[in-house]
Amino acid sequence: QVQLQESGPGLVKPSQTLLLTCTVSGASISSGGHFWSWIRQHPGKGLEWIGYIHDSGYTYYNPSLESRVTILVDTSKNQFSLKVSSVTVADTAVYYCARRYCSAGSCYGHLDYWGQGTLVTVSS
Amino acid sequence: QSALTQPASVSGSPGQSITISCTGTSSDVGGYKFVSWYQRHPGKAPKLMIYDVSKRPSGVSNRFSGSKSGNTASLTISGLQAEDEADYHCSSYTSISTLVFGGGTKLTVL
Repeated sequence: QVQLQESGPGLVKPSQTLLLTCTVSGASISSGGHFWSWIRQHPGKGLEWIGYIHDSGYTYYNPSLESRVTILVDTSKNQFSLKVSSVTVADTAVYYCARRYCSAGSCYGHLDYWGQGTLVTVSS
Repeated sequence: QSALTQPASVSGSPGQSITISCTGTSSDVGGYKFVSWYQRHPGKAPKLMIYDVSKRPSGVSNRFSGSKSGNTASLTISGLQAEDEADYHCSSYTSISTLVFGGGTKLTVL
């Protein structure tokens, strides 16, 4: 069974850089050709897709966030990470990591495994 | 990319059927078969309920079904049960190889 677990600081000051890590168990992050994704949910709002990284290292980002976010993979630790620079209170949200399913070289649009989410609050 | 449009809330009584709509554009919902629906109970991780417009993952009740017409996708839940009360989010693959979500719909079982 594939499991994902987010980790990171619960509190970040405005203008700082947020770094979150997603640890994957039950599957190798470097095989299967999947995309590894970050999604967030602002308090009382809908889900917002942030971006994903293919196990080859190729990345796609939400155009509205692209200038401030970076997603990286660390295959040695079976982890992937999210960096958000110059955070503001608008970045306060629950952050989820998830897997976008791919099979036999074809990638689909759904996220089949999710982490439990981690709340990040931006406040001075 | 703009968020997909969902109703903020829907409600129904046990045993009834409800439908949640998800409207996008020809660059997302209308252009691809990759529409998904997720159920999220408070404090829990989202759960995939429907993918590729109308397919159900193993273990998801057949009371959940999906469809699409033009730029609008729909999730129908038949035989409503108390445990179905949750937030439901749609998502779609887009023409720029990204994903986009809807604003979410709160389902209340009366």
